[in-house]
Amino acid sequence: SAVISQKPSRDICQRGTSLTIQCQVDSQVTMMFWYRQQPGQSLTLIATANQGSEATYESGFVIDKFPISRPNLTFSTLTVSNMSPEDSSIYLCSAWEGAKNIQYFGAGTRLSVL
Amino acid sequence: KQEVTQIPAALSVPEGENLVLNCSFTDSAIYNLQWFRQDPGKGLTSLLLIQSSQREQTSGRLNASLDKSSGRSTLYIAASQPGDSATYLCAVTPPGGGNKLTFGTGTQLKVEL
Repeated sequence: SAVISQKPSRDICQRGTSLTIQCQVDSQVTMMFWYRQQPGQSLTLIATANQGSEATYESGFVIDKFPISRPNLTFSTLTVSNMSPEDSSIYLCSAWEGAKNIQYFGAGTRLSVL
Repeated sequence: KQEVTQIPAALSVPEGENLVLNCSFTDSAIYNLQWFRQDPGKGLTSLLLIQSSQREQTSGRLNASLDKSSGRSTLYIAASQPGDSATYLCAVTPPGGGNKLTFGTGTQLKVEL
């Protein structure tokens, strides 16, 4: 199974700043995704990180707010830009192994915006 | 739009009890359904994956069933232990397989000594 390392594990940020979250997978995977889990809520898909091209965003999420990179098959970053307290959430990276049709998740980044 | 609901939202049971967690989804056209466990600070762990053509899957003390036509799945935990305390999430995959999971609202389980 794939092992996913996500950094940072948590951060406290000031309003108006940006934070970049890194996601490293220990093997090449077919697809990588970014999810948000707001307090008391379930997970919502933000976007699919496409290798070598622009990410595919879900309804309600835009590139200017959540720019995503995926330079290779094992690494992706999510930036939360111009943060506000409403961005306080857990952000999770996942990797999908197509052959097994299983998604593996990182430990998440707990973000608090003051 | 697919919606996934889990009942109950929270559950507290004494150690040793058998329990059932419920998951319902509005669109029966799914490719598969997964049950995950979420521990604080440790992300999600996949527990069981049921293909749409299957009725159930078992792993140790866990048994998950799927009734696609009625839009329901259950996760049965036998002889619960304090280490089972966590949030349990179900998630469905749309037809065509793969990637975009729609998650349920979760059940927070506490198993007490």
